Amino acid sequence: AQKVTQAQTEISVVEKEDVTLDCVYETRDTTYYLFWYKQPPSGELVFLIRRNSFDEQNEISGRYSWNFQKSTSSFNFTITASQVVDSAVYFCALSEVISNFGNEKLTFGTGTRLTIIP
Amino acid sequence: DVKVTQSSRYLVKRTGEKVFLECVQDMDHENMFWYRQDPGLGLRLIYFSYDVKMKEKGDIPEGYSVSREKKERFSLILESASTNQTSMYLCAGNRGRSLGNSPLHFGNGTRLTVT
Repeated sequence: AQKVTQAQTEISVVEKEDVTLDCVYETRDTTYYLFWYKQPPSGELVFLIRRNSFDEQNEISGRYSWNFQKSTSSFNFTITASQVVDSAVYFCALSEVISNFGNEKLTFGTGTRLTIIP
Repeated sequence: DVKVTQSSRYLVKRTGEKVFLECVQDMDHENMFWYRQDPGLGLRLIYFSYDVKMKEKGDIPEGYSVSREKKERFSLILESASTNQTSMYLCAGNRGRSLGNSPLHFGNGTRLTVT
């Protein structure tokens, strides 16, 4: 079965430090998607990024960057120069095909609570 | 922008009550999902639907059922609420079959307490 492991339950860093959130996954599918979501204190999950299993290029969006390594089944997320507004729970997720028509669902990790200390 | 709306932010119900959690989306999503979120367990899929009147069990369907009479509305039903169903419930939707084309968009969540 699909599995997503986020070994870091909680992380605290001082503002402006860099921080990396780890994500390791297991899948039998040859084609899949990986995601990161942010859940701020308000509760709504906010989509951050989607990565296709065939595309191992790293991606950067402002202070956020993602490192996808298929050889180690990892999809890590780095925040550079962290800010207090980055405080949230971050979830990594993996797609899985669930029907003969190709419909998919997401399997989530247990999340990492990130606290940025001012 | 995508809009998924859950009708209640907080609910308090008694053991044995029948509970309805409502979710409405306005973006013509074919697919809709109900997850529950618990500390240390992440999000777990309860039920999903990829068409009107269609439903499929997720990973933890016991004690729950769903209804999808219209495309825009997906209801989660707790037939007889129990204290172990105290949790945060999250509704999500997306368009099309593949999450590669359309990621899941979530509502704000309903925090249910069963006493």
